[in-house]
Amino acid sequence: GAVVSQHPSRVICKSGTSVKIECRSLDFQATTMFWYRQFPKQSLMLMATSNEGSKATYEQGVEKDKFLINHASLTLSTLTVTSAHPEDSSFYICSARAFGAADNSPLHFGNGTRLTVT
Amino acid sequence: GQQVMQIPQYQHVQEGEDFTTYCNSSTTLSNIQWYKQRPGGHPVFLIQLVKSGEVKKQKRLTFQFGEAKKNSSLHITATQTTDVGTYFCAGSGSYQLTFGKGTKLSVIP
Repeated sequence: GAVVSQHPSRVICKSGTSVKIECRSLDFQATTMFWYRQFPKQSLMLMATSNEGSKATYEQGVEKDKFLINHASLTLSTLTVTSAHPEDSSFYICSARAFGAADNSPLHFGNGTRLTVT
Repeated sequence: GQQVMQIPQYQHVQEGEDFTTYCNSSTTLSNIQWYKQRPGGHPVFLIQLVKSGEVKKQKRLTFQFGEAKKNSSLHITATQTTDVGTYFCAGSGSYQLTFGKGTKLSVIP
């Protein structure tokens, strides 16, 4: 149980274009999803917390107009990287917490999306 | 804000040797979680420790939570090549998880 599906797994796009990444909880409802960014050989950096039916909460230093998050249903959150630039190339990972789970309960991660901006 | 320090950053061991990674928090934690990320993969939850001084075992893996609930360790006995990956601790205060930088384990056959 507790499977999180992330799509696409890899995407290459040209500078200036936008890319949408989807994160789905397949067998549970997730009121809260988290979006992380991971640079090579580094840790997970929390970008934003996505709450179903409300605006996402962004971490300090993360541009909300550049990284658009939408959590339209209890099983789907999307991250759109707008006007992508080469420095946005990274590994983006989502995670989800089941509906009703405590705020500090374990997270279930998607497989991640490797974004390369040329 | 809450900070979680993890050492070492890298560890290379001969197959069969033991391995330990340590995690320290700047604040008292409500719980600590451990994740493993295989090369090219995503983090997978291993275990959660909640009680002061708690020790849990999963086969060759031993997890400890300090008495003050500010530090933790993961010890692997007799490493195998399947243990390769990056091990992250994640400390939880009252709200969100803060991840350590991880320890990348390489096992030389």
